[in-house]
Amino acid sequence: DGGITQSPKYLFRKEGQNVTLSCEQNLNHDAMYWYRQDPGQGLRLIYYSQIVNDFQKGDIAEGYSVSREKKESFPLTVTSAQKNPTAFYLCASSIGLQGAQPQHFGDGTRLSIL
Amino acid sequence: KQEVTQIPAALSVPEGENLVLNCSFTDSAIYNLQWFRQDPGKGLTSLLLIQSSQREQTSGRLNASLDKSSGRSTLYIAASQPGDSATYLCAEGSSGSARQLTFGSGTQLTVLP
Repeated sequence: DGGITQSPKYLFRKEGQNVTLSCEQNLNHDAMYWYRQDPGQGLRLIYYSQIVNDFQKGDIAEGYSVSREKKESFPLTVTSAQKNPTAFYLCASSIGLQGAQPQHFGDGTRLSIL
Repeated sequence: KQEVTQIPAALSVPEGENLVLNCSFTDSAIYNLQWFRQDPGKGLTSLLLIQSSQREQTSGRLNASLDKSSGRSTLYIAASQPGDSATYLCAEGSSGSARQLTFGSGTQLTVLP
C-alpha cells in the first residue's frame, strides 16, 4: 500500500543537540511538506518542497533545516537553534501544488526535550 | 495574513444526531477548502476538498459547503456514530503561487453511544 512513513514515532532531544526526523513516501508525489502542531492548535508550515533539490521556507522555518535529495525522502533536522522544539511534527505530500490536490499525511513524530 | 477559525473548539452529541461543524476564513482569494479528520496521536486524513468554483462536496454521510462571499464553510455529518469521534480541521488553500494551506485549530467531536 502506498503511503507516508515517518520515523521515529517518539524522539527525545538533549540540550544543544540536533535531531533528524525521517519522512519517506512511495506515492510518487512531487511535493512534500513539514508541519508543526502544538496542543489545541492548527498546523503550521515549516518547510515545503515542490521538486527534488528545491525547497522553500514556510511560516516558522527558523531553527529547522531540510534536504530533498530524492523524490521519496524529505528529512527534517531540528537544530539547537530551535529553542522550543517540543511538538508533534507531521510530514505530508501531494501530487503537485498543495492547494490543488488533497494532502496525504504520515502518522507524525512526537518530539520532546530531555 | 490569512486566518482560519473553527468554533466551537469541542462538541459532544448523542449518537444518531445530525451535526454541523463551522469554519470561517478571511482570505477573499481562496483557492480551495479542505476538511480533515485527525484521530488522537495520528496524522490527518483528507475528507473532502472543495474548489473555489464549487459550492459543496459530498462523501457518504459527509457534506461540505463553501460560501466565499461570507467566508464560511460547513461540514455536515449525518446520523453521527461513535466512530466519528475525532478532531476535525479545516484548511484554506490560498491563490498565491505556493498555494499554501492555512489550518484552523480544529473542533474536537465526541459522539456518545
